[in-house]
Amino acid sequence: TQLLEQSPQFLSIQEGENLTVYCNSSSVFSSLQWYRQEPGEGPVLLVTVVTGGEVKKLKRLTFQFGDARKDSSLHITAAQPGDTGLYLCAGDRSNTGKLIFGQGTTLQVKP
Amino acid sequence: DAGVIQSPRHEVTEMGQEVTLRCKPISGHDYLFWYRQTMMRGLELLIYFNNNVPIDDSGMPEDRFSAKMPNASFSTLKIQPSEPRDSAVYFCASSSGQGNTGELFFGEGSRLTVL
Repeated sequence: TQLLEQSPQFLSIQEGENLTVYCNSSSVFSSLQWYRQEPGEGPVLLVTVVTGGEVKKLKRLTFQFGDARKDSSLHITAAQPGDTGLYLCAGDRSNTGKLIFGQGTTLQVKP
Repeated sequence: DAGVIQSPRHEVTEMGQEVTLRCKPISGHDYLFWYRQTMMRGLELLIYFNNNVPIDDSGMPEDRFSAKMPNASFSTLKIQPSEPRDSAVYFCASSSGQGNTGELFFGEGSRLTVL
């Protein structure tokens, strides 16, 4: 059983389209992070959200933490081929630094 | 800073052989994590250390796996004996703090293939 469920698992879209990736759990998290991973490399942090209802923007990326701190979403506006990669959400349940990762969403943006 | 350094980048070995993966965390980081990534199971936390002390090893699959951190700048993950199902990419990551602001910095991973 995966503690953090991401959906969709795979997404292939055309350049310019919008998309949303979801990260859901039945557990409450003290914080949630989103990472992006490219082939042959380790994940790289995009954002950390800590407050229920929090919204953070990073250029064309918008991250939201659910009010109950059990879920999060990543929205990309006008996707570009450079956005292609594996997007991972990761949560810390007990403020211990122990990060549990979701399965990831593989995004392919075609030119 | 050079970032988290892992070695080897690639390892191909035969079933039954001992495998040792190495990690040098970012200087000054007091948390070190070992993760394993496969297509089927994603990124799984194996073990993590704080100030060189193992804090949680509940993710270590079985007794064939062991990890050590003899000092703040070095950690090893050992598999003995290795099995084909251990084939995966093993990542080491470090961070400078716990909790809700602790960014993990990952190495490039060690890709292990056990034949």
